[in-house]
Amino acid sequence: GAGVSQTPSNKVTEKGKYVELRCDPISGHTALYWYRQSLGQGPEFLIYFQGTGAADDSGLPNDRFFAVRPEGSVSTLKIQRTERGDSAVYLCASSLRAGGYTEAFFGQGTRLTVV
Amino acid sequence: SQQGEEDPQALSIQEGENATMNCSYKTSINNLQWYRQNSGRGLVHLILIRSNEREKHSGRLRVTLDTSKKSSSLLITASRAADTASYFCASMFSGGYNKLIFGAGTRLAVHP
Repeated sequence: GAGVSQTPSNKVTEKGKYVELRCDPISGHTALYWYRQSLGQGPEFLIYFQGTGAADDSGLPNDRFFAVRPEGSVSTLKIQRTERGDSAVYLCASSLRAGGYTEAFFGQGTRLTVV
Repeated sequence: SQQGEEDPQALSIQEGENATMNCSYKTSINNLQWYRQNSGRGLVHLILIRSNEREKHSGRLRVTLDTSKKSSSLLITASRAADTASYFCASMFSGGYNKLIFGAGTRLAVHP
């Protein structure tokens, strides 16, 4: 596709439920990033992939959060036992490669609301 | 906190005026990037400045970088109402770290 696609655009779930957020990066981009943004704050780094492997998952807040990218393209962010504090916009970005002088292209985000 | 600091947090100006936003970061960087965000959703890349550059221009945007002070500034000249958005700086740290760390952003409002 032309840009980074994230689905769903909005997700409302009940506390304690499991959710999956999907990211389709730009074709050919090897690096993929997940960020979380709370209202009035800047994006907070969660995890990034170089190819299929999670190169840095230091931003994942706890073990309820997990992300995969099995074929080096589409990625899924999985949140177990959701809590109200997980409510935020989850942003995905991709870049041609990780690091260096490359810009990241962002999707429109998934707004997650835990009620 | 992962984030660097930006100031001001909010800026309100009239069309035609210049807008200056500042950003500070904490450790050595490979490059620093500025992004724009409308309505709290997707971010759009504006400009990237490398650690060995001091100034860069793109259209009405001018970015400076002072690595001795660990700070950067974004200047938007002759602002327009359409420039109303949140602006974020993001640092790409050196030393093999390949993630962008964002500041808290500046909310810019340009009034017609």
